[in-house]
Amino acid sequence: ETGVTQTPRHLVMGMTNKKSLKCEQHLGHNAMYWYKQSAKKPLELMFVYSLEERVENNSVPSRFSPECPNSSHLFLHLHTLQPEDSALYLCASSRTYQQGYSGNTIYFGEGSWLTVV
Amino acid sequence: SQKIEQNSEALNIQEGKTATLTCNYTNYSPAYLQWYRQDPGRGPVFLLLIRENEKEKRKERLKVTFDTTLKQSLFHITASQPADSATYLCALDRGNQFYFGTGTSLTVIP
Repeated sequence: ETGVTQTPRHLVMGMTNKKSLKCEQHLGHNAMYWYKQSAKKPLELMFVYSLEERVENNSVPSRFSPECPNSSHLFLHLHTLQPEDSALYLCASSRTYQQGYSGNTIYFGEGSWLTVV
Repeated sequence: SQKIEQNSEALNIQEGKTATLTCNYTNYSPAYLQWYRQDPGRGPVFLLLIRENEKEKRKERLKVTFDTTLKQSLFHITASQPADSATYLCALDRGNQFYFGTGTSLTVIP
């Protein structure tokens, strides 16, 4: 029980499909994140939201579109993806997000395994 | 840019021995360094955090050291058990900029 719930756990989609990943955190945190994890590569930070405002967008292609309707929910909308986008997508949260503040612990969800065919 | 190297992609040790995992980094020293455990098909789980002015941190069978001169952190699991088998990630925390390593896969052999 991590406090961060992701759905679906597995998703197979064609390159022309549109789908969404959903994340919900039950920890009362103010910051939420999307990470991408590919084999043999470090976790890649995609997006950060703090108090529902996007504060970081790390050069992610526009075929990935995040949405944060409130501080507990985070979505990642997917459209016209490429096979190289197949990966584990991890949602995470932390108590706060402030520039210059360290010591935050990141709580991850179980991840959504995405396969693009 | 910040680079993190976790030496040895995979480590096999005998049950009961001490496992030692290494995390080396380049460029800037982080304010904090964190260690996470990741089981196959699951998200990472936070284990320990050590501050730049701390030399050592312990939690049960886990011990982390942090040497800012060497730019290195060591992660030890004493009296290792098969249940400790997992991938361990180190993460540099520089004011909310987290840089993760690729992880070391540990297998504890009964």
